[in-house]
Amino acid sequence: NAGVMQNPRHLVRRRGQEARLRCSPMKGHSHVYWYRQLPEEGLKFMVYLQKENIIDESGMPKERFSAEFPKEGPSILRIQQVVRGDSAAYFCASSPRTGGSDEQYFGPGTRLTVT
Amino acid sequence: GQSLEQPSEVTAVEGAIVQINCTYQTSGFYGLSWYQQHDGGAPTFLSYNALDGLEETGRFSSFLSRSDSYGYLLLQELQMKDSASYFCAVRSMDSSYKLIFGSGTRLLVRP
Repeated sequence: NAGVMQNPRHLVRRRGQEARLRCSPMKGHSHVYWYRQLPEEGLKFMVYLQKENIIDESGMPKERFSAEFPKEGPSILRIQQVVRGDSAAYFCASSPRTGGSDEQYFGPGTRLTVT
Repeated sequence: GQSLEQPSEVTAVEGAIVQINCTYQTSGFYGLSWYQQHDGGAPTFLSYNALDGLEETGRFSSFLSRSDSYGYLLLQELQMKDSASYFCAVRSMDSSYKLIFGSGTRLLVRP
C-alpha cells in the first residue's frame, strides 16, 4: 500500500510565477490536509479538504493561495505570483476518516524555493 | 488560541535516556501526538496519548497530564539515528481535527 505521494519533491520558481503542488493521499483516504513548514519551525495548518469540498481553510493566506481536491486525481495546492516569503516545505497529510483519534499520514513534502 | 512550548534543543549521549517536554495552552483538544522529523524528511508519527498516563511503544514512551497541561516524550537506549527534530502536536476539537504543532526540539545524540 503506497503512502502519501507528493510531487514535485523540489520546485524552484522565480518571483511572480505560479507554483502547483500535488498530493495523492493513501489508498482509501478521502481526507487531505496541507501544512507549511518554514525553516527551523513547526508545521502550520493551511487547509483541510475532502473530495470536491474545502472544509477548513482558516490557515490559508487570503490572497494568491488556493487548494482543491477533485473527484478524480490528486489534491492541488496552487500559489500564484510567488514571493520569496513563500519559500518553505509544504507537506500533505491524509487520513481515512475524520475523527479525534485518527492518525494523519504525511507525504515527503515539496520544497519550494522562490528566487 | 492554542500554543505548545518545547525546548529548542537537547543533547544526549548514545545509550542514555532523554525526555522532551511539551507544555501547552489550549481550550481543548482530542489528544497529544509526537512526531519525528529527520532533516529534509517528512514528519513520522511516533505516539499518541488520548488519555492521561503513559503510552509505551518500544524504546519510545509518551506521557500526558491534562491537569498539568503537560506531556513528554521519553526516548530510551538512544541511538545515533535518533538525532532528529521532535514535535508535539494537539488535535483540534473543531470539525477539521487539524494538528497544531509545537516549534520542535532538535535532539543531538553524541557517541
